[in-house]
Parts: sequence; structure tokens; C-alpha cells
Amino acid sequence: AQTVTQSQPEMSVQEAETVTLSCTYDTSENNYYLFWYKQPPSRQMILVIRQEAYKQQNATENRFSVNFQKAAKSFSLKISDSQLGDTAMYFCAFMKAMDSNYQLIWGAGTKLIIKP
Amino acid sequence: DVKVTQSSRYLVKRTGEKVFLECVQDMDHENMFWYRQDPGLGLRLIYFSYDVKMKEKGDIPEGYSVSREKKERFSLILESASTNQTSMYLCASSRTGGFGELFFGEGSRLTVL
Repeated sequence: AQTVTQSQPEMSVQEAETVTLSCTYDTSENNYYLFWYKQPPSRQMILVIRQEAYKQQNATENRFSVNFQKAAKSFSLKISDSQLGDTAMYFCAFMKAMDSNYQLIWGAGTKLIIKP
Repeated sequence: DVKVTQSSRYLVKRTGEKVFLECVQDMDHENMFWYRQDPGLGLRLIYFSYDVKMKEKGDIPEGYSVSREKKERFSLILESASTNQTSMYLCASSRTGGFGELFFGEGSRLTVL
């Protein structure tokens, strides 16, 4: 069975700083997807970034980038130049590439607070 | 703009009451999901549906049932609410071939007294 672990329940940084959220996972699959989702306070969860395991290049989306270490089963999210609007719960998730039901396995989440 | 709408943001119910949580999506997505979100536990899948009238149990289906009579609507039913079902409930949808991109509603916070 797959598991996803986020070891940081809560983090806080000053605005404009860079912050890295950690995620590790366990799987015997070779082909899979990894995700970071963001849940702002009282708003919908949205997809921040997605990584395909067979791609060696780390995914980036503007200020958001990942450090994907397949052998170490590590998938961290880096937020550069953090903004107040980045305050949210962040969830790491895993999905088998051949999962026809598109089921995601979720971490417990990290609460990120950006301080002005 | 894509949208998933959950009928109630906040509900307070009494133990033993029947509870309906409604979810509607306007993206013509095939797949719909009901999750339960609790602090420190992440999201846990209750039920999902990949087609009209089709449903599959997730990780924690006990005490819940679902209904999908139309493609755009997926309902979660608590037949007899209990205090341990106090939680945040999230509905999500995705298209087949969407590679894990889920679109979520704002959530329904249920309190059972």
C-alpha cells in the first residue's frame, strides 16, 4: 500500500522569504504522479503543481517548484518570494499512473503561515 | 470558470438525523469524489463515482451512502448521523484522463450534536 508522509504539521515564515515543505512517500510502483495541493482558509483546494515520476526534470509553476528525488522517495515543495496569499494548508498526494479510478493518497497536510 | 458547488457550507444536526450533502459540478466530469477532512489525518476517501449510477467504496464508507442519478450531481447521505461524523466534507470532480487534477468544492462543515 502507498503512504504519504508530511512531517511538518505547521510552518511560518516572513513574507518574501523562501520556504520548503517536505513530503516523503512509500510505494513499490515505478510509474506514478505526485501532487501538491493548496487549501487557502475557507476556500477551495486547488492543484499547485504535478510531477510525473518518469520525468527527471523537476516541475515548476511560477514561484512554486519541486525537488523530486525518486530514489529517496522525496517530493518537497519550494515557494520562493512568499506572499501573504500563500498562507494555506498544503497537501502532498500520490497517484498510481495506472489507477483507472484516479484515486489519490494524501498526506496529513502542512499549515503554512506567511507573516507580514 | 470551472465550478464545484456544495449545497451547504455549515450544518448542525442532531444524533440520529438523516443528513444529505449535495455536490454539483458544471464541467461534465466523469469522476466525482467525497472526502472527509480531519486535522492531522489529511483527506480520506469515502466514496467515489466514475459514471452515473456507479459508485465505489473508498477507505471509510461505513455510515455513509451516496447517490449519483445525474452526471453533474453526487450526493452524500448519512443515514443516521453520529457525533464521530462531525467533520469537514469535501466534494471533488475530475475528468477521465485528467491525471489526478481534482476540482474541489468549498467544503461542508458538519457538526453532529
